[in-house]
Amino acid sequence: AQRVTQPEKLLSVFKGAPVELKCNYSYSGSPELFWYVQYSRQRLQLLLRHISRESIKGFTADLNKGETSFHLKKPFAQEEDSAMYYCAPCILTGGGNKLTFGTGTQLKVEL
Amino acid sequence: DSGVTQTPKHLITATGQRVTLRCSPRSGDLSVYWYQQSLDQGLQFLIQYYNGEERAKGNILERFSAQQFPDLHSELNLSSLELGDSALYFCASHSAGGSGNGRANVLTFGAGSRLTVL
Repeated sequence: AQRVTQPEKLLSVFKGAPVELKCNYSYSGSPELFWYVQYSRQRLQLLLRHISRESIKGFTADLNKGETSFHLKKPFAQEEDSAMYYCAPCILTGGGNKLTFGTGTQLKVEL
Repeated sequence: DSGVTQTPKHLITATGQRVTLRCSPRSGDLSVYWYQQSLDQGLQFLIQYYNGEERAKGNILERFSAQQFPDLHSELNLSSLELGDSALYFCASHSAGGSGNGRANVLTFGAGSRLTVL
């Protein structure tokens, strides 16, 4: 069955500490993977996607096909990083794309 | 402004009632997704439409239905409302396309419609 797992519901770190938000997926084929972020119940917005291989707001995510993981990392957490983070694999299907979100991880950065 | 417009922003109604949530996708986007976000269940995929046709169905109750119109706007109808239907309902759109379109798989979300059932 196709599944995406974010094992941590809440992750609390101190400002300046490293952050790793875990995401594991179980999909046939080669999904495209995304991280979306939601600040204070605002609309979700794209944070980054694996094919871009870019760093956004200091965050990076490496796709590990062997471990089927797409963990989100940041070396030094900032207070403004506090938000809900969703991992989302996307499968290209005929005529459209099926994008499913994980259950999300609430990141809390404390002073 | 993301380009995805949802109305109403907030709606309070009573159990047993019926409501319609409306979504206008970003200009040029053919696909519309509906998601339900509640405190205890997280972000749940409800249904997807592509160019007027239903494409995928998620955890959508039988009391809920949706459609996408020729002008590509979409409506989510929620009937026989229960207290547990209280949630934030998000609409998202993207331009489903073939390979080569770098943004084809990126969803743009609306601000959501907050439904409170009393």
